Amino acid sequence: AQKVTQAQTEISVVEKEDVTLDCVYETRDTTYYLFWYKQPPSGELVFLIRRNSFDEQNEISGRYSWNFQKSTSSFNFTITASQVVDSAVYFCALSEGRGDDYKLSFGAGTTVTVRA
Amino acid sequence: NAGVTQTPKFQVLKTGQSMTLQCAQDMNHEYMSWYRQDPGMGLRLIHYSVGAGITDQGEVPNGYNVSRSTTEDFPLRLLSAAPSQTSVYFCASSRGLSSGNTIYFGEGSWLTVV
Repeated sequence: AQKVTQAQTEISVVEKEDVTLDCVYETRDTTYYLFWYKQPPSGELVFLIRRNSFDEQNEISGRYSWNFQKSTSSFNFTITASQVVDSAVYFCALSEGRGDDYKLSFGAGTTVTVRA
Repeated sequence: NAGVTQTPKFQVLKTGQSMTLQCAQDMNHEYMSWYRQDPGMGLRLIHYSVGAGITDQGEVPNGYNVSRSTTEDFPLRLLSAAPSQTSVYFCASSRGLSSGNTIYFGEGSWLTVV
């Protein structure tokens, strides 16, 4: 069963538009960790954020913000005022606790294209 | 700040050939993993290790072999390459996440099997 679902395969926006990437996860653990990674065209994986299951506080980092809602098992990511440099594939990932917290289950990724 | 280092970055193999993807980390992390990335499927776990001398299978282990003789190194071996193993491979390392740590990835290795 897919543990992390990113329903949006591709999103295309014009520069300065906001874009929200959806991530829905599935786990029976009460302790787990959620991640977002960015993969630019150069191919490396860039860590963006990690969130613990017991910390539902939303976070903002510059133009990036994350909305974590345990009630709906979602961890959505918003880019405000998008820029061309935001064009990348974005992955949401889940690490389940109880001793397996070094393994990640990834979503299929969402390709974001920001047009000038 | 070397972090996680993977070599080679690009490799073309012929079907049936063997090769080893190297992974080294200099952060004294006990946990290391190998993932493969295929279009539309995200990254999938191949093998992992929780410490020197200890390895185990992940989601897609067939056709791959690993060993962990030191804390720093975690090589991934393709015993007899097949076109289905054409993929991008990522090595990762971490300490446990409960102490606020994160998971670090190498820059990836692009493998083509013809």
